[in-house]
Amino acid sequence: DARVTQTPRHKVTEMGQEVTMRCQPILGHNTVFWYRQTMMQGLELLAYFRNRAPLDDSGMPKDRFSAEMPDATLATLKIQPSEPRDSAVYFCASGVAGGPFETQYFGPGTRLLVL
Amino acid sequence: DAKTTQPTSMDCAEGRAANLPCNHSTISGNEYVYWYRQIHSQGPQYIIHGLKNNETNEMASLIITEDRKSSTLILPHATLRDTAVYYCIAGEYGNKLVFGAGTILRVKS
Repeated sequence: DARVTQTPRHKVTEMGQEVTMRCQPILGHNTVFWYRQTMMQGLELLAYFRNRAPLDDSGMPKDRFSAEMPDATLATLKIQPSEPRDSAVYFCASGVAGGPFETQYFGPGTRLLVL
Repeated sequence: DAKTTQPTSMDCAEGRAANLPCNHSTISGNEYVYWYRQIHSQGPQYIIHGLKNNETNEMASLIITEDRKSSTLILPHATLRDTAVYYCIAGEYGNKLVFGAGTILRVKS
């Protein structure tokens, strides 16, 4: 049963520290999405990649957030420096483009708390 | 992407069919209707999608009206494990999907 994996599952850090979240998409999936979920804002798309190239990162605060795909099996989301308002659950999802539809498979999320 | 409107919450008795409505009156001809759900503390889960025709899979059925302005997700025999937030999304193939607030479905014994 192929699944998207995310590490770490939980992270507590202090304001100003760098946070790196990792995602391993399902093998063969060529599209990777990063979402953030909070009680106030719901599920927001931060960025997504297709064939490792960034297609849209308009939802991401550019001054402190960065997203990359070093290779097809790893996507990273970094926050530097972190702030308390970044506290949220960060989900990675992967999918396959090229057919008549596109569905996304979500990972379990990284729960981030910035003190 | 077309905006969707869903009820904030719904209750359903265990073992009965759960019918979740979604309004998407501004949907364009090439936008699909997708349904996802999110069980507490988990990532969203894809359920089903459709363009014009009704669709059925092992999880649910999707009924789309002929004018495509609304649809209904049907869980034929709801169980307690189906308690979740259900998201109805209208989006074009290959484009990002925008999640709204969804419908909180509570299945009660």
